Amino acid sequence: GDSVTQMEGPVTLSEEAFLTINCTYTATGYPSLFWYVQYPGEGLQLLLKATKADDKGSNKGFEATYRKETTSFHLEKGSVQVSDSAVYFCALATFSGGYNKLIFGAGTRLAVHP
Amino acid sequence: DSGVTQTPKHLITATGQRVTLRCSPRSGDLSVYWYQQSLDQGLQFLIQYYNGEERAKGNILERFSAQQFPDLHSELNLSSLELGDSALYFCASSVATDLSYNEQFFGPGTRLTVL
Repeated sequence: GDSVTQMEGPVTLSEEAFLTINCTYTATGYPSLFWYVQYPGEGLQLLLKATKADDKGSNKGFEATYRKETTSFHLEKGSVQVSDSAVYFCALATFSGGYNKLIFGAGTRLAVHP
Repeated sequence: DSGVTQTPKHLITATGQRVTLRCSPRSGDLSVYWYQQSLDQGLQFLIQYYNGEERAKGNILERFSAQQFPDLHSELNLSSLELGDSALYFCASSVATDLSYNEQFFGPGTRLTVL
């Protein structure tokens, strides 16, 4: 079945460091791909998305490119801030079993230190 | 603020008990989703309602049930609670069911602790 695999955390970085969180997926067809972020004590928020191959989603300095050939959607940011500390979830939207659903990865915790 | 509200924020109860979690979707959203987030299982989809009708079931236990009312708010009922049911329960809503193009908005969650 469809699935999402993302790198295990926690990821610990210093402020202004470069961030990469890897995400790969397995799916039939061409799913839409998403990154969600969960700040401490809050629900998930959509960070960015891409709906077709080679699309780049971007928001708040974060970027991810939909790579069909490597079935990947890695999240990157050039210079992280302490306020980026959160858990990041990669997800895909798929239609299976007769309904649309989101499948989430396990989440990667990011801690940014001053 | 996503516009999705959940009550209560925290709930502490004992094994064997029954609780009800409540969710109000964003204004205009017809679809409501329930998720369970635990440390060992990650984020698991439980059930979806669309305009009052059950649309999809995920990894929902038989001890759990849900409904969506005519005003579109939803309730998740958890009964015969076990220690392993301790988790964060999230509600999300969307305008329509095609998730490729319709964003899911998540509530702040209800933290359930079963003692």
